[in-house]
Amino acid sequence: QKEVEQDPGPLSVPEGAIVSLNCTYSNSAFQYFMWYRQYSRKGPELLMYTYSSGNKEDGRFTAQVDKSSKYISLFIRDSQPSDSATYLCAIRETNAGKSTFGDGTTLTVKP
Amino acid sequence: DTGVSQNPRHKITKRGQNVTFRCDPISEHNRLYWYRQTLGQGPEFLTYFQNEAQLEKSRLLSDRFSAERPKGSFSTLEIQRTEQGDSAMYLCASFVQIYGYTFGSGTRLTVV
Repeated sequence: QKEVEQDPGPLSVPEGAIVSLNCTYSNSAFQYFMWYRQYSRKGPELLMYTYSSGNKEDGRFTAQVDKSSKYISLFIRDSQPSDSATYLCAIRETNAGKSTFGDGTTLTVKP
Repeated sequence: DTGVSQNPRHKITKRGQNVTFRCDPISEHNRLYWYRQTLGQGPEFLTYFQNEAQLEKSRLLSDRFSAERPKGSFSTLEIQRTEQGDSAMYLCASFVQIYGYTFGSGTRLTVV
């Protein structure tokens, strides 16, 4: 079993829909939680970075962390065709150098 | 310097050849990471540096792989005697605790 499991997708939604992307993790030592967006043939781009349970909002994006359930989510409101990409969750222990990434969920937003 | 630069963008090599990739990180970021990503998978950790010191290396990394970061500036990743299984995107990232990773666009390696 992988340390980080991500809903595999692919996910296809109409423009304007609310999108929910989810990851679960097994190691309770994980304390830092990140979401990245990756366009085809590009490096991942940081969207959200949080280290506490609860919600963090940035524009149309909301990151949600539930440490008791070891579950993290990214919500995208009013989705746009430009949001079409692969979304990666990444999780890190407090004192660890490396992060562990999920395998990504590919999202397509149709006009 | 506003981003992480990786060169070359794409490398095609014959099996058994050696290849070297270069990464120029964001200058004020003292941590530098190398990750590898294959199609349909998330980035997989290879190694990282704090300034010029290599602090961790993945157990999955064979001894054909070596990385350096002389003087804590740019970094190079070398793969010796390449195999077809080495074909992947090699990603370099700067890291700052409060900002997370800033990735480069990667070097896509194709071993034929």
